[in-house]
Amino acid sequence: AQRVTQPEKLLSVFKGAPVELKCNYSYSGSPELFWYVQYSRQRLQLLLRHISRESIKGFTADLNKGETSFHLKKPFAQEEDSAMYYCALNDNQGGKLIFGQGTELSVKP
Amino acid sequence: DAGITQSPRYKITETGRQVTLMCHQTWSHSYMFWYRQDLGHGLRLIYYSAAADITDKGEVPDGYVVSRSKTENFPLTLESATRSQTSVYFCASSRQSGSTEAFFGQGTRLTVV
Repeated sequence: AQRVTQPEKLLSVFKGAPVELKCNYSYSGSPELFWYVQYSRQRLQLLLRHISRESIKGFTADLNKGETSFHLKKPFAQEEDSAMYYCALNDNQGGKLIFGQGTELSVKP
Repeated sequence: DAGITQSPRYKITETGRQVTLMCHQTWSHSYMFWYRQDLGHGLRLIYYSAAADITDKGEVPDGYVVSRSKTENFPLTLESATRSQTSVYFCASSRQSGSTEAFFGQGTRLTVV
């Protein structure tokens, strides 16, 4: 069965510290993976997708098929990074878009 | 640029009543999704639709009904609301499956008393 697991409900770091938000997935085929972010009082929006191999707002994520992980990283956290982050998996055959439980990132000054 | 809109934004209803949450998108996206967001559970998929007249169950479909007679609309109905259905509901759409970005509505906060 498809599943996305984010083990940390809350991650609290100080400004300038490195950040890693964990995401593990379970999927039998080749998944399409994403990170979405929800800032306070804003809509959920795409942060990045694995296929693009891009860096957005200093965040990167690498798909590790061996470990079935797609962790989100940023070397130096900023206060404006405080938000709820969701890892998501798209079943590109059936079309389901499944989300993890979310991790709330709090960056303290 | 209307994009994707949900209505109402807030709703209080009584146990046992039928409630319909509306979702409308202006992009003619093929895929549409309904999620509920609950503390500790994140976003859980209720139903999704790949095209007009095609709908499929997600992770938590019990107690909900959807329809998609037109590409742009994807209403979600709670047939007989229960307190456990108190939640924030999000609608989303995407152009296609795979690596395509999904766009979210602003959410509907539903309280069942």
